[in-house]
Amino acid sequence: KAGVTQTPRYLIKTRGQQVTLSCSPISGHRSVSWYQQTPGQGLQFLFEYFSETQRNKGNFPGRFSGRQFSNSRSEMNVSTLELGDSALYLCASSLEDPSWNTIYFGEGSWLTVV
Amino acid sequence: AQKVTQAQTEISVVEKEDVTLDCVYETRDTTYYLFWYKQPPSGELVFLIRRNSFDEQNEISGRYSWNFQKSTSSFNFTITASQVVDSAVYFCALSRNTGTASKLTFGTGTRLQVTL
Repeated sequence: KAGVTQTPRYLIKTRGQQVTLSCSPISGHRSVSWYQQTPGQGLQFLFEYFSETQRNKGNFPGRFSGRQFSNSRSEMNVSTLELGDSALYLCASSLEDPSWNTIYFGEGSWLTVV
Repeated sequence: AQKVTQAQTEISVVEKEDVTLDCVYETRDTTYYLFWYKQPPSGELVFLIRRNSFDEQNEISGRYSWNFQKSTSSFNFTITASQVVDSAVYFCALSRNTGTASKLTFGTGTRLQVTL
């Protein structure tokens, strides 16, 4: 059974640009969450989508957005990139209710902003 | 607010030594979930264990074991007879039993280095 798949794995962007990251959850999983990992702030929750609706949101500015498609695949977008957005972005998926199901992570997308 | 503390930033052991990674958490919830994840250099967070707050039984899985104590709000992880392949960063995490269950609160991680 395939795990959580994230693309691209590595990318370099320039300040002011925007970036879109993609996540394909484990088959059958309908909840998709996104996390940002930086050396300074550690692992921080960005948002969670379920059935194409944002269900939870972390404390990030509006430049960070996401969406989920009918097949549960998700994308996150960061607009007007800043140097501080350089991070590992991790996607996670779980069955319908994360209260009762394990959350599995992908390998992440390494974003460098120059 | 929820908080997870992993006081050990980095631990170095020689192969075959036992090692315990500490995790202390804070929450006002009566029902919650605790996790341990392993992060190798590739970046992926590998799931190790999930524990419900109402289940205080300790668990053993091969060389791994977990000691959950609600009285001290701790969920410690022990690797017996460590191996070089155990070298990674280990994260303890906490989530709530509500609609925000997907929102994991992570500790800062413990980097484990196992050498020959």
